Amino acid sequence: SQWGEENLQALSIQEGEDVTMNCSYKTYTTVVQWYRQKSGKGPALIILIRSNEREKRSGRLRATLDTSSQSSSLSITGTLATDTAVYFCATDAPNTDKVVFGTGTRLQVSP
Amino acid sequence: EAAVTQSPRNKVAVTGGKVTLSCNQTNNHNNMYWYRQDTGHGLRLIHYSYGAGSTEKGDIPDGYKASRPSQENFSLILELATPSQTSVYFCASGDGQGIEQYFGPGTRLTVL
Repeated sequence: SQWGEENLQALSIQEGEDVTMNCSYKTYTTVVQWYRQKSGKGPALIILIRSNEREKRSGRLRATLDTSSQSSSLSITGTLATDTAVYFCATDAPNTDKVVFGTGTRLQVSP
Repeated sequence: EAAVTQSPRNKVAVTGGKVTLSCNQTNNHNNMYWYRQDTGHGLRLIHYSYGAGSTEKGDIPDGYKASRPSQENFSLILELATPSQTSVYFCASGDGQGIEQYFGPGTRLTVL
């Protein structure tokens, strides 16, 4: 498997709180993508961070990448109920056009 | 706007029957992918394609075939459906390694 520790978990928080999700991966990757999947929908990319970047921000989202420990995190500040979703990290499989997805973190944000 | 559509959105099939899931993309992407999603497993790659006429095996291809007759269309075929193939299936398109994949809305398949 591409993944080290399983990143399948469920988090339940209140609106306005900050949250951080983590994932680790086993093999070299050039990019880590974070996808969000809302109930009944397909996943959609929310932020992408490349191996030459340590941090990437987009609105309330912040992604980090530590290539030495082969880990990435996604933080959401000031969560909203609409952030309720499953969040996946994904890496590219070397020398292929495939993307390998982790098992996801289920985030429930209560109003 | 870029779009990936799937049909049908819901399907109930009988064991041993043939099922075809269809996917269409208007992104003009070369690559297309079929995944299945099951609780505890995330998204697992079944088949993918680099362009019209090409199909490649993904990580869990057994029991599935794929067909890419054109740039826009990619089908997943279950020749002899089994209950273990009950799942939600997603199609996606993309332009290659490290590049965003665009997903369709999914097809919920139940095999009785």
